[in-house]
Amino acid sequence: KQEVTQIPAALSVPEGENLVLNCSFTDSAIYNLQWFRQDPGKGLTSLLLIQSSQREQTSGRLNASLDKSSGRSTLYIAASQPGDSATYLCAVKSNQFYFGTGTSLTVIP
Amino acid sequence: GAVVSQHPSWVICKSGTSVKIECRSLDFQATTMFWYRQFPKQSLMLMATSNEGSKATYEQGVEKDKFLINHASLTLSTLTVTSAHPEDSSFYICSAGLQGMVETQYFGPGTRLLVL
Repeated sequence: KQEVTQIPAALSVPEGENLVLNCSFTDSAIYNLQWFRQDPGKGLTSLLLIQSSQREQTSGRLNASLDKSSGRSTLYIAASQPGDSATYLCAVKSNQFYFGTGTSLTVIP
Repeated sequence: GAVVSQHPSWVICKSGTSVKIECRSLDFQATTMFWYRQFPKQSLMLMATSNEGSKATYEQGVEKDKFLINHASLTLSTLTVTSAHPEDSSFYICSAGLQGMVETQYFGPGTRLLVL
């Protein structure tokens, strides 16, 4: 069974810092990997989707990488802002979606 | 982009009552919809996969008689929590796969259920 782990569980940074969130998964047989943002009490907002054949995807200040062979993905957030404060979830799609437990990010003004 | 809605967004009910949650794909047809549950500070766990016109497939440990799923059309799936108890209080999220593109799923905004 696929297991998805996210490190760190929580992260607090001052505004303007660049940061990296990590995601690892145990089974490399995946269709894609997706990073989501979840605000408290809210649903999921898809940030980036990386197909299994891709190495990275970029959207604005966000860059996600995928190393399928080693079972790792990172989400890089540049020049963090207080509005980036949320929980970030990664999920891998194999026979179903498997979610990590998330990283709770706080950006301090 | 593809939009998935859920109704209601919030529900509070008394123990023993049944609650129905709707999941709709607004601008696309979804042959497959998925129901997830998320407990506080935990990640989403897949409860069941709902296929239009057939019975849902439940994950291990999920009681199919308690969580009734109906997928009567290509744009609507419903989850009914029967005889709800406080331990069923959770955040329920659905997702829908584009017909022919099940690798991509679009998530609804979630429904928070509180059973008193």
